[in-house]
Amino acid sequence: GQQVMQIPQYQHVQEGEDFTTYCNSSTTLSNIQWYKQRPGGHPVFLIQLVKSGEVKKQKRLTFQFGEAKKNSSLHITATQTTDVGTYFCAGGSTLGRLYFGRGTQLTVWP
Amino acid sequence: EAEVAQSPRYKITEKSQAVAFWCDPISGHATLYWYRQILGQGPELLVQFQDESVVDDSQLPKDRFSAERLKGVDSTLKIQPAELGDSAMYLCASRSRPLTDTQYFGPGTRLTVL
Repeated sequence: GQQVMQIPQYQHVQEGEDFTTYCNSSTTLSNIQWYKQRPGGHPVFLIQLVKSGEVKKQKRLTFQFGEAKKNSSLHITATQTTDVGTYFCAGGSTLGRLYFGRGTQLTVWP
Repeated sequence: EAEVAQSPRYKITEKSQAVAFWCDPISGHATLYWYRQILGQGPELLVQFQDESVVDDSQLPKDRFSAERLKGVDSTLKIQPAELGDSAMYLCASRSRPLTDTQYFGPGTRLTVL
């Protein structure tokens, strides 16, 4: 079945450092979505990428979708303590189902 | 801003008991999902509804789990009997169109089976 792998599982950074999480799918994706889940909270939608090679930015966050639509990355520039949480990628199928990765848990030291 | 509602927020039960979770999606959202999230993992789809019809329940343990969305609006997920391994967060999500738009998650129900 379709699988979405996400690395690293954990990342600890000092405030001001950059952070990147990577997502890889075993099959070509219809789209990819990124979510953030704060400790004790529920996943909150960040962004959706649909086109091959697409790059989108949200302030300090940069999202990329690979040319083959099988991989994606989220990069945060100059992390802040408010960035703490678990970041999930979710690959979308043509039937509207999302396959979530295991997530990358980000810890930011002040 | 409209939100997905879920209740209860927390549920503690003993194994072999029955439990039920309720979800009210954002008004007008035709697609509704139930996910299970085990601590330290990503959400795993249990069942997907389009209006009142089940679109995908391939990952739903049908011997003990059931889900319904009778009028195509709110939905109930039931577990009977509950097992220790069912302890997890149960998340409901909705979206207005299945292939586009975002999924909006509810706050979840944290189930603990003793």
